[in-house]
Amino acid sequence: DARVTQTPRHKVTEMGQEVTMRCQPILGHNTVFWYRQTMMQGLELLAYFRNRAPLDDSGMPKDRFSAEMPDATLATLKIQPSEPRDSAVYFCASGLGAGYNNEQFFGPGTRLTVL
Amino acid sequence: AQSVTQLGSHVSVSEGALVLLRCNYSSSVPPYLFWYVQYPNQGLQLLLKYTTGATLVKGINGFEAEFKKSETSFHLTKPSAHMSDAAEYFCAVSPGANNLFFGTGTRLTVIP
Repeated sequence: DARVTQTPRHKVTEMGQEVTMRCQPILGHNTVFWYRQTMMQGLELLAYFRNRAPLDDSGMPKDRFSAEMPDATLATLKIQPSEPRDSAVYFCASGLGAGYNNEQFFGPGTRLTVL
Repeated sequence: AQSVTQLGSHVSVSEGALVLLRCNYSSSVPPYLFWYVQYPNQGLQLLLKYTTGATLVKGINGFEAEFKKSETSFHLTKPSAHMSDAAEYFCAVSPGANNLFFGTGTRLTVIP
């Protein structure tokens, strides 16, 4: 049963610390998305990649957030330094892109709490 | 520009009653349309999608949605609500590029 995996599932950290979240997309998927979900803002697209190249990261605060795909099986989202307002659930999703109707498959999320 | 409007952030229905969750979209090109469901502490799961062809789309768990181009709507329905349907539901539109544009979600409560 192919699925997107995310680690860690939960992370509690203190303000100013670096946070790294990891995502393993479904094998063979060539598009990867990072979303942030909060009660106030709902679901926000932070960045997405196609064939490991960043296509759009306009939703991401550039000064502290960075997203990369070191290889086709790993996507990372880093926050440095973290702030309390970064507390949210971060979702990774993968898909096969426009040729497959843009359907996205979501991971279970990383719940981040910054104290 | 693409956008999605979900009318009603909270909907409550009695068990066994009709479920109707509303979604209107705007898109500059013929869209692909999706409904996703999110159960507590989980990621989003695809319920159903419209791409081309038949405008009435059937999904999992007895849900269906009808694409109405003239009304720019894609409302989600289920004839009889079950307790297990309690979740948050997201409508999304894709203009054919890489992105999905999500609505703000509707939280469905099912009253026993």
